[in-house]
Amino acid sequence: DAGVTQSPTHLIKTRGQQVTLRCSPKSGHDTVSWYQQALGQGPQFIFQYYEEEERQRGNFPDRFSGHQFPNYSSELNVNALLLGDSALYLCASRGTGFTYGYTFGSGTRLTVV
Amino acid sequence: ILNVEQSPQSLHVQEGDSTNFTCSFPSSNFYALHWYRWETAKSPEALFVMTLNGDEKKKGRISATLNTKEGYSYLYIKGSQPEDSATYLCAFGSSNTGKLIFGQGTTLQVKP
Repeated sequence: DAGVTQSPTHLIKTRGQQVTLRCSPKSGHDTVSWYQQALGQGPQFIFQYYEEEERQRGNFPDRFSGHQFPNYSSELNVNALLLGDSALYLCASRGTGFTYGYTFGSGTRLTVV
Repeated sequence: ILNVEQSPQSLHVQEGDSTNFTCSFPSSNFYALHWYRWETAKSPEALFVMTLNGDEKKKGRISATLNTKEGYSYLYIKGSQPEDSATYLCAFGSSNTGKLIFGQGTTLQVKP
């Protein structure tokens, strides 16, 4: 059973560009959360999607947006990239009934130059 | 602002040593406390999810305790092995909506 799959694994973009990161949740999971991990810090919550809607959002600007598809997969979009957006972006999924545990992907490493 | 603090930031031990880390979190609006192990180049792996004050959980040589009234959790590793080398993250949940607030992690290196 595949866990959470993220693509691409690595990405280099130029300041001002836009980027789309993708996440396929674990089979049977319908809720997807995105986290940003900057160097030396713990993961920071960006937002969470359930039933194709953004349900909760962290302290990130509107440049960060997302989407969830009917098959529960999700995208994270970042517009007008800044150097400070360079980080590891993690996707995590869980099922309904809230079993409390999350399954994480191995992340997408984004470098903005 | 909700803050989750972990200590120490890093730890170097010899194989066979027992060790423990601390996670401090807000004592109000507690819902759940998660522990994850994160090995380099892999995904964070859930170790424990703890919800009740006084909870104690164990998985092999790793165990955890929870004190929600004073806002701390301890993770213990008995007889550390080189394969235990990883970053250990704790995360605080204040509701069942799913947002987790992570600490910065404790990086453990076990020398053979």
